[in-house]
Amino acid sequence: DAKTTQPNSMESNEEEPVHLPCNHSTISGTDYIHWYRQLPSQGPEYVIHGLTSNVNNRMASLAIAEDRKSSTLILHRATLRDAAVYYCILRDRTGAQKLVFGQGTRLTINP
Amino acid sequence: SQTIHQWPATLVQPVGSPLSLECTVEGTSNPNLYWYRQAAGRGLQLLFYSVGIGQISSEVPQNLSASRPQDRQFILSSKKLLLSDSGFYLCAWKSRYPHPDTQYFGPGTRLTVL
Repeated sequence: DAKTTQPNSMESNEEEPVHLPCNHSTISGTDYIHWYRQLPSQGPEYVIHGLTSNVNNRMASLAIAEDRKSSTLILHRATLRDAAVYYCILRDRTGAQKLVFGQGTRLTINP
Repeated sequence: SQTIHQWPATLVQPVGSPLSLECTVEGTSNPNLYWYRQAAGRGLQLLFYSVGIGQISSEVPQNLSASRPQDRQFILSSKKLLLSDSGFYLCAWKSRYPHPDTQYFGPGTRLTVL
């Protein structure tokens, strides 16, 4: 399995940008990078995904390093509702079509 | 649009009692379905997945089992619960959009075994 490494926790202030890093040095050439987040007492929800180019959607932006060994999820203007655990995931290619969730980064937003 | 349901939302069961958790998906056909467990303060652990009716793959040996009696129904069961079975159980289905690996999760069942 291709592994990802994320900081255990991060803290930011409301209405400021947040940059959540993820290292994936063993990523293969065709692995997509997925980001999910889990709000308290809820199931994870899809945030964004990308392959090589930077991606934007209504929730966030994903910046992918040129060598694809790392990526950064960007929340442009954090709100209290963005407090969650954020997971960076690579598509497992061992045949089960499964996503392997690590420990993620617990993001705290200060008012 | 597609929706995923899980019930019950919360459950308190004694050790040694049976368990049955149900998950149903609406608005799609022949989805891949998944059961995950999340122990308190931990990450998600994939327990079972299914690519079709009657087809179950187990990821972790344990005293749990899963069944898929209908296309959009996925059931998690146990004959005798252990204390270690406590946790947050999540069902998910795999969509083709916005990516073929995107999974959508249900609201979860919080199980406490006493």
